[in-house]
Amino acid sequence: QKEVEQNSGPLSVPEGAIASLNCTYSDRVSQSFFWYRQYSGKSPELIMSIYSNGDKEDGRFTAQLNKASQYVSLLIRDSQPSDSATYLCAVHSSGDKLIFGTGTRLQVFP
Amino acid sequence: ETGVTQTPRHLVMGMTNKKSLKCEQHLGHNAMYWYKQSAKKPLELMFVYSLEERVENNSVPSRFSPECPNSSHLFLHLHTLQPEDSALYLCASSAHPVDFNYGYTFGSGTRLTVV
Repeated sequence: QKEVEQNSGPLSVPEGAIASLNCTYSDRVSQSFFWYRQYSGKSPELIMSIYSNGDKEDGRFTAQLNKASQYVSLLIRDSQPSDSATYLCAVHSSGDKLIFGTGTRLQVFP
Repeated sequence: ETGVTQTPRHLVMGMTNKKSLKCEQHLGHNAMYWYKQSAKKPLELMFVYSLEERVENNSVPSRFSPECPNSSHLFLHLHTLQPEDSALYLCASSAHPVDFNYGYTFGSGTRLTVV
């Protein structure tokens, strides 16, 4: 079983719609969770972090965490073509190591 | 200069060459990492340095040799690489222990091609 699982996509949404990206993880003691955005050929950049159950909002982005279901998601409201990228879910359990998923490719079409 | 800086951005090397990748962070972090990213594969953790000591080595072939002379600098020495080693090599840094809000900060990466 993979430690962090994401649907590879592509997830295609029209401009202005809500994009919903999902991630599940296997380690129940995981403490904090991160969403990174990676444009093609570029390095990952941090968008959101979350460590408490519930929702955390930052502008057009909302991260949702459900530790009982071992599930974390990222919602992007009013999606723009510039949001088209690969979104990486990362999970921190202990020490300094983050475990990354394979990423979900998002395509926002005009 | 701020953030995490990696050099060179692009590198083409023959299988018999020796080269080094350099990473420098100006964030006051004390943990640094090397990741390999191949097409359609997840990020593969190669090495972890925490407080300048190597704390993880994920069964990486000996043709990759890391060096961390201080908490701001990290090197990856390469020798006798294979074509399958062609990939994007990413350096990252973080606080130790990892900050729940900030996670890792990545450098811009080195695109390595082995010919």
